[in-house]
Amino acid sequence: AQSVTQLGSHVSVSEGALVLLRCNYSSSVPPYLFWYVQYPNQGLQLLLKYTSAATLVKGINGFEAEFKKSETSFHLTKPSAHMSDAAEYFCAVSDGGSNYKLTFGKGTLLTVNP
Amino acid sequence: GAVVSQHPSRVICKSGTSVKIECRSLDFQATTMFWYRQFPKQSLMLMATSNEGSKATYEQGVEKDKFLINHASLTLSTLTVTSAHPEDSSFYICSGSGLAELETQYFGPGTRLLVL
Repeated sequence: AQSVTQLGSHVSVSEGALVLLRCNYSSSVPPYLFWYVQYPNQGLQLLLKYTSAATLVKGINGFEAEFKKSETSFHLTKPSAHMSDAAEYFCAVSDGGSNYKLTFGKGTLLTVNP
Repeated sequence: GAVVSQHPSRVICKSGTSVKIECRSLDFQATTMFWYRQFPKQSLMLMATSNEGSKATYEQGVEKDKFLINHASLTLSTLTVTSAHPEDSSFYICSGSGLAELETQYFGPGTRLLVL
């Protein structure tokens, strides 16, 4: 069985500061890992994904994430937060079975203070 | 990334009526489509998975006779909420994945359903 834990349901940063959103996963096989962003009343937009290639993955809007197998982590970072980054962020894992079903974390709400 | 649309974006209906939500993949063929439900300030809950031309596979606890899913073509899936009740009010989101990226789901913008 696969699972995802997102540490911190709410993260607040100042504009220009480093963004770090934490995600730890559990999977019995090499996982596929994803970060999605959701703005209010909208669907999910894919930020980036890990599919067993490079462990450091670069995504859209300046975000990146590093797959660390030893720590079972896939934390999302951005060097400098922008006001437009304020949104809900979801980490998700798939083990490749069952049509690549995703298991989502509970989400982290990022607020950016001016 | 690939684009998925949903229609309508929001719908209000009376208790006891049925509502149909459409999910379309606009620039790729979605061999698999997924339907999720999201409650306020919560994560997504997978309701069902459908492969084109096959019956949908429902998650445990989801009533298949209440939430009818059809995936008749590679670009269209529909979710029909039958005999809707106020407790069915929610945000419904679909996603699709194609042969080029089997592991990646692209999500629609969601449909807000309010049952009075």
